[in-house]
Amino acid sequence: AQKITQTQPGMFVQEKEAVTLDCTYDTSDPSYGLFWYKQPSSGEMIFLIYQGSYDQQNATEGRYSLNFQKARKSANLVISASQLGDSAMYFCAMREGRGGSNYKLTFGKGTLLTVNP
Amino acid sequence: DTGVSQNPRHKITKRGQNVTFRCDPISEHNRLYWYRQTLGQGPEFLTYFQNEAQLEKSRLLSDRFSAERPKGSFSTLEIQRTEQGDSAMYLCASSLAYRSYNEQFFGPGTRLTVL
Repeated sequence: AQKITQTQPGMFVQEKEAVTLDCTYDTSDPSYGLFWYKQPSSGEMIFLIYQGSYDQQNATEGRYSLNFQKARKSANLVISASQLGDSAMYFCAMREGRGGSNYKLTFGKGTLLTVNP
Repeated sequence: DTGVSQNPRHKITKRGQNVTFRCDPISEHNRLYWYRQTLGQGPEFLTYFQNEAQLEKSRLLSDRFSAERPKGSFSTLEIQRTEQGDSAMYLCASSLAYRSYNEQFFGPGTRLTVL
């Protein structure tokens, strides 16, 4: 089974509008972390936001917020007030186990976001 | 704070040749990771170092692949007898162990094309 599922291969949004990128995950480990990365056409992966499995509140970082629904095993990324520079691939990733003892990330296939002027 | 750097950025080689890539992590980071990303996919874990020790290798890392991290600083990834299926983006990342969530910082990648 896929550990990380991103069901939207591509999404379009108008500049200044909000957009939600979907991510569902599968793990039996009670301790895990969820990450979102942005990958522009230049190729570099840019860290956006993190949510730990024990975090009580949804993570926020500037225009990015994570809609974490633990029972549904979903961790959707919400980008508010989209900008043209937000056009990129977005990857959801999971680390199973505690951060100090575990390490590797498992990525989804990504969602290509296009922001239209 | 200089980021993770990778060299070369692009490599074109003929099938059967050996290639070597280099990754320089963020200076104080003791963990270093290699991932491979093929077209239309997310990155896949290849191997991981804590300081100079290679602690895990994915089954994706065949015998033709070898990675080193001498002295726990930069790392090299060598592919021997390249095959067309090795064509991919090779990403390096580093992190600082025992940070609260062990965020990984990625380099720009080395794009390998095997003809």
